[in-house]
Amino acid sequence: QQQVKQSPQSLIVQKGGISIINCAYENTAFDYFPWYQQFPGKGPALLIAIRPDVSEKKEGRFTISFNKSAKQFSLHIMDSQPGDSATYFCAAANTGNQFYFGTGTSLTVIP
Amino acid sequence: DTGVSQDPRHKITKRGQNVTFRCDPISEHNRLYWYRQTLGQGPEFLTYFQNEAQLEKSRLLSDRFSAERPKGSFSTLEIQRTEQGDSAMYLCASSHRGARVYNEQFFGPGTRLTVL
Repeated sequence: QQQVKQSPQSLIVQKGGISIINCAYENTAFDYFPWYQQFPGKGPALLIAIRPDVSEKKEGRFTISFNKSAKQFSLHIMDSQPGDSATYFCAAANTGNQFYFGTGTSLTVIP
Repeated sequence: DTGVSQDPRHKITKRGQNVTFRCDPISEHNRLYWYRQTLGQGPEFLTYFQNEAQLEKSRLLSDRFSAERPKGSFSTLEIQRTEQGDSAMYLCASSHRGARVYNEQFFGPGTRLTVL
């Protein structure tokens, strides 16, 4: 079964807009929640990650919001740029090493 | 470039043939992971090594799949008697135990396998 559920499947945003991607999980043992960015023909690259002891983490235009009680976390991309057009994956892991990835969101930023 | 490298980048084979992929992790990384990614899906965990020891295997890793990491450096993933359902992108990632960022995994570019 899908350990991490991600939505939407695709997203189109105007340049300068805010892109929001949501993920939900069930396993309360997860304690690490990274977001990966993947361009066509490339492997995923870590964008930003959060531990459950904080509710928000910001790095530049990228922010993770984390709601432990709801078992949900989201990625916000502020001032979206055409260069942000890519597929984004959320993931979750516990103290083991097995990452569980969402199904991905294809983001298109229109100039 | 000191990132994770994978070889070959693309492999086309006929059903029933054996294939082998190679992954070279970042040099100081002692952990190495294999994932499989099909179109429109996120990467799915296959197996994980710490140094030369294979510590974890997914149920996705059937008996036709075998992975090795001799001497704790590069790793190989072999698929025997390939099936059309094996067609996917095979991703390798590495990480360093004790990294400041919890278990940050660095991915290679992947090997795209097509089984005809």
